[in-house]
Amino acid sequence: SQQGEEDPQALSIQEGENATMNCSYKTSINNLQWYRQNSGRGLVHLILIRSNEREKHSGRLRVTLDTSKKSSSLLITASRAADTASYFCATSMIYNQGGKLIFGQGTELSVKP
Amino acid sequence: GAVVSQHPSRVICKSGTSVKIECRSLDFQATTMFWYRQFPKQSLMLMATSNEGSKATYEQGVEKDKFLINHASLTLSTLTVTSAHPEDSSFYICSARPYRDRDTETQYFGPGTRLLVL
Repeated sequence: SQQGEEDPQALSIQEGENATMNCSYKTSINNLQWYRQNSGRGLVHLILIRSNEREKHSGRLRVTLDTSKKSSSLLITASRAADTASYFCATSMIYNQGGKLIFGQGTELSVKP
Repeated sequence: GAVVSQHPSRVICKSGTSVKIECRSLDFQATTMFWYRQFPKQSLMLMATSNEGSKATYEQGVEKDKFLINHASLTLSTLTVTSAHPEDSSFYICSARPYRDRDTETQYFGPGTRLLVL
């Protein structure tokens, strides 16, 4: 069963603005990952943050993790129209779960030029 | 590197027929592959975990006799939807976990297969 909740479900912004998406989960995790999906396509891995990390950067992406609140956020700075996609968080539980990922419900981001 | 392919990309079939979907890791070996289903405007739901050389582990609520999974080699897993019905119409996505990254749990996703059952 899914354990991730994301908000907002949909986000519409202007090009150049920042976009923030939040993810909450229920159980203890090994790591949390963010993925992007363009309409009708497969998933692209964006960034992975481990349970002992609090913040991670990759280009225009910034991810935070608060294990005490069981939540994570993805910030996309200086957004572009090409960033329009659905964004999912996915949690990987402890090792004996076989490394399976449980996905959140996703945030549909629309960046208007 | 780390490319995963799926075949076919789209398939239309009649109700009652069986459909096989292939998932291949093209440039790495994958001891574990995962199968997901995604309905329109929804998230990915894990169906099963496929381990090379052993039986797949199905998630609760997924019928193993309806969704047959075979992981015969380190680069190929297949999902067969048996006696497909219109409610099986969905987007099926596989992912593969590289053997070398078994401790980091990185997964690479295929482009998905869109199944339409008439």
